[in-house]
Amino acid sequence: GESVGLHLPTLSVQEGDNSIINCAYSNSASDYFIWYKQESGKGPQFIIDIRSNMDKRQGQRVTVLLNKTVKHLSLQIAATQPGDSAVYFCAENRSQAGTALIFGKGTTLSVSS
Amino acid sequence: DAGVTQSPTHLIKTRGQHVTLRCSPISGHKSVSWYQQVLGQGPQFIFQYYEKEERGRGNFPDRFSARQFPNYSSELNVNALLLGDSALYLCASSRDLEPSYNSPLHFGNGTRLTVT
Repeated sequence: GESVGLHLPTLSVQEGDNSIINCAYSNSASDYFIWYKQESGKGPQFIIDIRSNMDKRQGQRVTVLLNKTVKHLSLQIAATQPGDSAVYFCAENRSQAGTALIFGKGTTLSVSS
Repeated sequence: DAGVTQSPTHLIKTRGQHVTLRCSPISGHKSVSWYQQVLGQGPQFIFQYYEKEERGRGNFPDRFSARQFPNYSSELNVNALLLGDSALYLCASSRDLEPSYNSPLHFGNGTRLTVT
């Protein structure tokens, strides 16, 4: 079906390592993508976004890569910290299909010190 | 600046009752959206309101309704509650009609609804 999904439900890393969280999307018409971080008991927190006319965007310790050829999105977190432990969701918007964000199921990142 | 605020934070209702959830968007944001998040899954779109008009509706039954007020705050109403309505209800706001590079969607911490 046409939905955003993630490759791995869980990812465990050591503190200080770099983390890569992956996401695949199926609709080439999607033109805007967002990564959210959700900690237990809280709502999704905006991390970084990217448009379909971009390949890469960097934030503070985070980088989002977009590969439109294979419909793949990734979030790279540098020097992962225990505070990065959370569920990470990618979401897409298809501007031709309305205003809703379509979310995947999420990847749980666990950072051990 | 205050983020998106929702009330109440937790709510317990019994089957058949109705519930009203409230949301205040970030100052200056005219768009409010509602999402339902069932445990272990990503949020699912319910409604979007922009400038007090409904601009989008997800695949939810008519028991779900919403409205937006002149100050851009919003209410989500659910009638005839079912056990399956138990979820985290998230409100999100953005400056523009569509989420975009210059107007991302920002979420509140949600209302945890339990239906018994």
